[in-house]
Amino acid sequence: QKEVEQDPGPLSVPEGAIVSLNCTYSNSAFQYFMWYRQYSRKGPELLMYTYSSGNKEDGRFTAQVDKSSKYISLFIRDSQPSDSATYLCAMSGGVYGGSNYKLTFGKGTLLTVNP
Amino acid sequence: GAVVSQHPSRVICKSGTSVKIECRSLDFQATTMFWYRQFPKQSLMLMATSNEGSKATYEQGVEKDKFLINHASLTLSTLTVTSAHPEDSSFYICSARKTGSQETQYFGPGTRLLVL
Repeated sequence: QKEVEQDPGPLSVPEGAIVSLNCTYSNSAFQYFMWYRQYSRKGPELLMYTYSSGNKEDGRFTAQVDKSSKYISLFIRDSQPSDSATYLCAMSGGVYGGSNYKLTFGKGTLLTVNP
Repeated sequence: GAVVSQHPSRVICKSGTSVKIECRSLDFQATTMFWYRQFPKQSLMLMATSNEGSKATYEQGVEKDKFLINHASLTLSTLTVTSAHPEDSSFYICSARKTGSQETQYFGPGTRLLVL
């Protein structure tokens, strides 16, 4: 079993739809959880950052972390064509988790929002 | 803000030559920077962790003599691909962690290397 599992998609939705992206993981030492958006031929852009369990909202984006289930989600409300990109989940145990700040990434989900 | 730049954005070189890629944190200090490689339609593969003032830590399978990393200041890390070959052609991305912060890494825009 890989440390982080993420459905690669592709996922295609109409404009205005609610998008749900998720990742599961196996390493209970992970404490920090991130979602990055990556456009084609560009570097990843940090969207959301969450420490431990809970929800975090930023505009149209909501990140949820359920450490008991080892499951994280990213919700995008009122999706726009400009949201079309690859979404990567990433997580880390921090220096105390033995990872020395290294991130473990999911494979990424390719999202297309159709006008 | 947390802006990371990379230079050059694209480079084409002949087989056997060396190429240097710069990664700069523009508005924050970064004790730790990371170098990744990404193949088409694949996720990022960590190559090495670069710590300011000390030797880089390479991931298993990454040749440290081929991929030379220097992190001479809190805002600059460089990756030199020595004696490049066509199989080294890839998208190289750096990231930086803010000194004193928690886990978040901020990524540069990437450098596309093509070795002919």
